[in-house]
Amino acid sequence: AQSVAQPEDQVNVAEGNPLTVKCTYSVSGNPYLFWYVQYPNRGLQFLLKYITGDNLVKGSYGFEAEFNKSQTSFHLKKPSALVSDSALYFCAVREYNNDMRFGAGTRLTVKP
Amino acid sequence: NAGVTQTPKFRVLKTGQSMTLLCAQDMNHEYMYWYRQDPGMGLRLIHYSVGEGTTAKGEVPDGYNVSRLKKQNFLLGLESAAPSQTSVYFCASRPLGGPDQPQHFGDGTRLSIL
Repeated sequence: AQSVAQPEDQVNVAEGNPLTVKCTYSVSGNPYLFWYVQYPNRGLQFLLKYITGDNLVKGSYGFEAEFNKSQTSFHLKKPSALVSDSALYFCAVREYNNDMRFGAGTRLTVKP
Repeated sequence: NAGVTQTPKFRVLKTGQSMTLLCAQDMNHEYMYWYRQDPGMGLRLIHYSVGEGTTAKGEVPDGYNVSRLKKQNFLLGLESAAPSQTSVYFCASRPLGGPDQPQHFGDGTRLSIL
């Protein structure tokens, strides 16, 4: 069965510093991996996805994610964090055409 | 383009009351989903639909029913609300296609059961 884990409940970074939000997954076949962001009182917004090909995927708002098959990870990254990046981030995995499974979420706080 | 619209946005119920949450999408998507979001647990799938007239159970279906009479609408019903159903409910949709299709979410319904 597919599953995804976000090992950090909370990530704090200073504005201008690089950020990383971690995600690991478990599937028996090829994974389809996604990152979503949730701002207060809003639904989840799609950031980026990994299907196949380049291990570094670029998405919205300057975010990117690195796929590592040997470590079964899909970490979200940004070279220079903004205060406006503060939000709740969810990693999700889908195997074949099954349901999407979400991680528990990581709250990112970027301090000025 | 409204995308996915959920009504109502907020609701307070008493234990035992019933209610229906409405989800409407204007993107002609085949798939529709209902999730609940609870602190520290991410999103858990309640029910989903792969097309008009079809529904299926997700991870946490107990206490909920759904209907998809029209392609653009997906209704979630609570027949007898319980405090454990206090949560934020999200509807999502995605087009017919491969597993690489992301889901589009509404802004949620915040439901409190007293």
